[in-house]
Amino acid sequence: EAGVVQSPRYKIIEKKQPVAFWCNPISGHNTLYWYRQNLGQGPELLIRYENEEAVDDSQLPKDRFSAERLKGVDSTLKIQPAELGDSAVYLCASSPRRGIWETQYFGPGTRLLVL
Amino acid sequence: AQTVTQSQPEMSVQEAETVTLSCTYDTSENNYYLFWYKQPPSRQMILVIRQEAYKQQNATENRFSVNFQKAAKSFSLKISDSQLGDTAMYFCAFMRGGGADGLTFGKGTHLIIQP
Repeated sequence: EAGVVQSPRYKIIEKKQPVAFWCNPISGHNTLYWYRQNLGQGPELLIRYENEEAVDDSQLPKDRFSAERLKGVDSTLKIQPAELGDSAVYLCASSPRRGIWETQYFGPGTRLLVL
Repeated sequence: AQTVTQSQPEMSVQEAETVTLSCTYDTSENNYYLFWYKQPPSRQMILVIRQEAYKQQNATENRFSVNFQKAAKSFSLKISDSQLGDTAMYFCAFMRGGGADGLTFGKGTHLIIQP
């Protein structure tokens, strides 16, 4: 079974430029999470999807961040415009079902460097 | 809000030794779950072990076991017969019952297994 796929693995951009990250969850997983991991820290939740619905986006900086999960499968996280402080690893995770605790399976992450 | 504290930024032990990583958490919830995740240098987060708060019996997975002290809000990880491949960042994580908030992570402990 394929794991969570993320692309690109690395991205270097200049500040004020836009950037997008893509995630393909494990087949059949209804719940999808985006986390941000700053250097030397644990991941922090940005947004959670149940199928195509964003059910928890309270930690998403909505002035510059946006996300979508069309058709309840793949998801894209966008930053526009990027700032120096956005440099981090962006992790995508998925789990099978909502309302029942389930293990979250993580992708390899996208390492973003904003210059 | 929940908080997770890992007080050991880095630990180093010799191969084959036993090592214990500490984790404390703070919550007012009664129904929750606790996890230890491993993040090797490749950055893929992998589940090591998980514990349901309502279970008194400590979880074990081969060489990995936990000491769950609910009253003290403590959740330590013991690795027996440590191996070179155990070298990684280890994150303690908390999830409310139902998984409503995603995972709340500690800052991690960098474990180094010396040959």
